[in-house]
Amino acid sequence: NAGVTQTPKFRVLKTGQSMTLLCAQDMNHEYMYWYRQDPGMGLRLIHYSVGEGTTAKGEVPDGYNVSRLKKQNFLLGLESAAPSQTSVYFCASSYWGEGNQPQHFGDGTRLSIL
Amino acid sequence: QQPVQSPQAVILREGEDAVINCSSSKALYSVHWYRQKHGEAPVFLMILLKGGEQKGHDKISASFNEKKQQSSLYLTASQLSYSGTYFCGTGLVTGNQFYFGTGTSLTVIP
Repeated sequence: NAGVTQTPKFRVLKTGQSMTLLCAQDMNHEYMYWYRQDPGMGLRLIHYSVGEGTTAKGEVPDGYNVSRLKKQNFLLGLESAAPSQTSVYFCASSYWGEGNQPQHFGDGTRLSIL
Repeated sequence: QQPVQSPQAVILREGEDAVINCSSSKALYSVHWYRQKHGEAPVFLMILLKGGEQKGHDKISASFNEKKQQSSLYLTASQLSYSGTYFCGTGLVTGNQFYFGTGTSLTVIP
């Protein structure tokens, strides 16, 4: 049972390049989340999804887009990467939302924008 | 919206106790606690739901005071394996959004 799998694990981009981070979960969870983690800032919610075909903005959505075409996958896109987007990105999933279910995290993607 | 955690950092000797606090300015439905080891993903510890409950397993327990919008995590007789950064996460009474605190770094030394 893999849980939550994120790809890639590491990536270095140049300013202005685009890329997509993939999150896949095999627990049949409805809710999925993308967070970024910066030193001293904790985990901040970028976007989330309450089910297949749905997405919603979180706390820091600017500069990112997401899609949830299949229940098990949640994609995070950076259309034009900026140095301020250098961070560690975590994907998480939960059976339901409203904060009453534990979130299961992937191992993270370490992204550097030069 | 982000809950405030205190202290920001704490160093303990094995066997000592610690308390980590989490406080929100918004009405809370739930509080989660997670622990993250350096370079790893956060790992779920426990959830407390509205109702002022207290939960625990082994030597780690937590309380939730919904009136004060606060939660505390209690670590007793700390072990080396307790080292890491502890995050509280808060689910609001209104809306689906979920906010993590900035974390408390806990280091247990022999």
